[in-house]
Amino acid sequence: DQQVKQNSPSLSVQEGRISILNCDYTNSMFDYFLWYKKYPAEGPTFLISISSIKDKNEDGRFTVFLNKSAKHLSLHIVPSQPGDSAVYFCAASADTGNQFYFGTGTSLTVIP
Amino acid sequence: DSGVTQTPKHLITATGQRVTLRCSPRSGDLSVYWYQQSLDQGLQFLIQYYNGEERAKGNILERFSAQQFPDLHSELNLSSLELGDSALYFCASSVAYGGAYEQYFGPGTRLTVT
Repeated sequence: DQQVKQNSPSLSVQEGRISILNCDYTNSMFDYFLWYKKYPAEGPTFLISISSIKDKNEDGRFTVFLNKSAKHLSLHIVPSQPGDSAVYFCAASADTGNQFYFGTGTSLTVIP
Repeated sequence: DSGVTQTPKHLITATGQRVTLRCSPRSGDLSVYWYQQSLDQGLQFLIQYYNGEERAKGNILERFSAQQFPDLHSELNLSSLELGDSALYFCASSVAYGGAYEQYFGPGTRLTVT
């Protein structure tokens, strides 16, 4: 049972444009959400997070939006750079729980 | 560099064999998590330890087991290996447990079962 879903396996964007990566979840108990970035042959690295008390969190070029009623979050990257090309995973957790549930990832390619 | 180390980087073994994957968490982190990533799959949570005690279990097969030692390093033991066990195995650590603590991942161990 996939509780966190990333329905777009891949996304291509021109350099300088906005990249929007989407993630849906099914468990209403989730209250903490994270995005990880993964390059080939490396482990995932933490990118940005958001708790359920917020609907937006920004860190430089990266912004995460949370729509609790729709059980949907998105990661915006503006402007996109070729170095952003990687696989992006969203993950969710209930603060009282001990495990994160990861999506299957979206492979982003930023075209120079 | 996340500060989490995993050994070995690659492992090739035959069906029916047993292997041990090792993980050293970041300095100061008490929680260790193990994940499996098969081809085209997301990260599947296997098991979590906190300060030597098992805290949570995910989709871990009975043929798999893990432990966390007093020095906080952890080992994942995979036995009676099958072809379908071929995957990337990641270890992650965090300072504590709970959703508010982001996890830092090691580079992974690629296991190939032939």
